This record gives sequence, C-alpha cells and structure tokens, in this order.
Amino acid sequence: EVQLLESGGGLVQPGGSLRLSCAASGFTFSSYAMSWVRQAPGKGLEWVSGVSGTGSNTYYADSVKGRFTISRDNSKNTLFLQMNSLRAEDTAVYYCAKQIAAACTDYWGQGTLVTVSS
Amino acid sequence: QPVLTQSSSASASLGSSVKLTCTLSSGHSSSIIAWHQQQPGKAPRYLMKLEGSGSYNKGSGVPDRFSGSRSGADRYLTISNLQSEDEADYYCETWDSNTRVFGGGTKLTVL
Repeated sequence: EVQLLESGGGLVQPGGSLRLSCAASGFTFSSYAMSWVRQAPGKGLEWVSGVSGTGSNTYYADSVKGRFTISRDNSKNTLFLQMNSLRAEDTAVYYCAKQIAAACTDYWGQGTLVTVSS
Repeated sequence: QPVLTQSSSASASLGSSVKLTCTLSSGHSSSIIAWHQQQPGKAPRYLMKLEGSGSYNKGSGVPDRFSGSRSGADRYLTISNLQSEDEADYYCETWDSNTRVFGGGTKLTVL
C-alpha cells in the first residue's frame, strides 16, 4: 500500500524558514517523480514544485522560484521542501504527491499545515 | 503552459447523474488530464487518468459509478447514482515538460 506521510509544518514568522519532509513507502521511491502541491485556506490546489525520480531535474512554480528548494533522498525514501523567505501568502496545507511515470498524480499525502504569521 | 477551466459549482439530486467539465486552453486540446476528488476536510484522492482519446484508467477502489469522457477540448467526469459521499470538490490536473496545472475546482452539492 502506497503511503506518503508529511511532517515539518508549523507556525513561522514572515521571512523565516521551514523544511518539510515526506516519508514514502509501498512503492519503489526512486522510480517515480514527486511533487509538492499546496492549498491555501478555502482555495484550490496549487502546484509548487516537482522533482524527477533521480533528483537530477527540479521544477518550480513562479510564485516560489528562488525561495523554495525541492530535493529527495532515495536511500531514505524521503522527499523534502526547503522553504526560505516565507510570506503570509505561503500559508497553506502542503501535500506530497506521487506521479505516474512523470504524468498525473496518483497518490496524495494527508498534508501538513504551514502558517506564516507574526 | 496549459490552463484548465472548471465551473465553480454544480448540484444534482441523490441517485441522479452529474457531468462535470474541465476545459483545456487553446493549443492543448489533445492533452491527457487527471481527475481528483477532495471530500470536506480530507486530502485529495486520485480518481482517474483521462487520455486524449477519451479512454480512462481509474485509481484503485474508485467505484464504477465514476467515468470519464471527452469532446474536443472538454474533459468530463460523470458520476452516476449520486451518493451523499460524492459531495466534494473535484479538480482536474494536467502537466507539460516542466510544470503541473490544476483547474480551479468544482464544488459538487448532492441535494
């Protein structure tokens, strides 16, 4: 059974940093592209960042480019999102998502809440 | 970059059928999309991948009541024999070489 378990969310002040983790199990982690998708309170889904199975290719939404860094540790089946220079508009539930062969998302984590506020 | 357009809301009666629409932007009418369901207070759930041909592949455990189809740039999710648990937000998703896009979502109310 595929499981994606996010952690690392919390309350942080504007300008601060946070690192999210996603522990994956139930599939060959290194064979699949992964993404982070967020959902602001009462809003829709917004893709944030993606990474290839090997970790060699990374992609970012314009809204986070230069501030967020996606990475993965295939030896530990874990996906990361380093978030720097956080803004109030980054407040959201962040979901870890697995892709089918670099195509659509087929599994979602339960999400972790990030709140940026003073 | 593709854009996906969805109606903000839809409603249908218990036991009836509803067809939700996701429209692909110009130049992307043959793209593959996915449909996801998000019940209140829960994480999204993958429903199906809908090919440009109109064929679809559903995720594990998705009831037979859910089906997909297409017409031109429009991609459809049809839910038959509506149940109360089908009341949820429905999102379509597509992607290209280095980005991933979601529609704005349709809030389905089961009357």
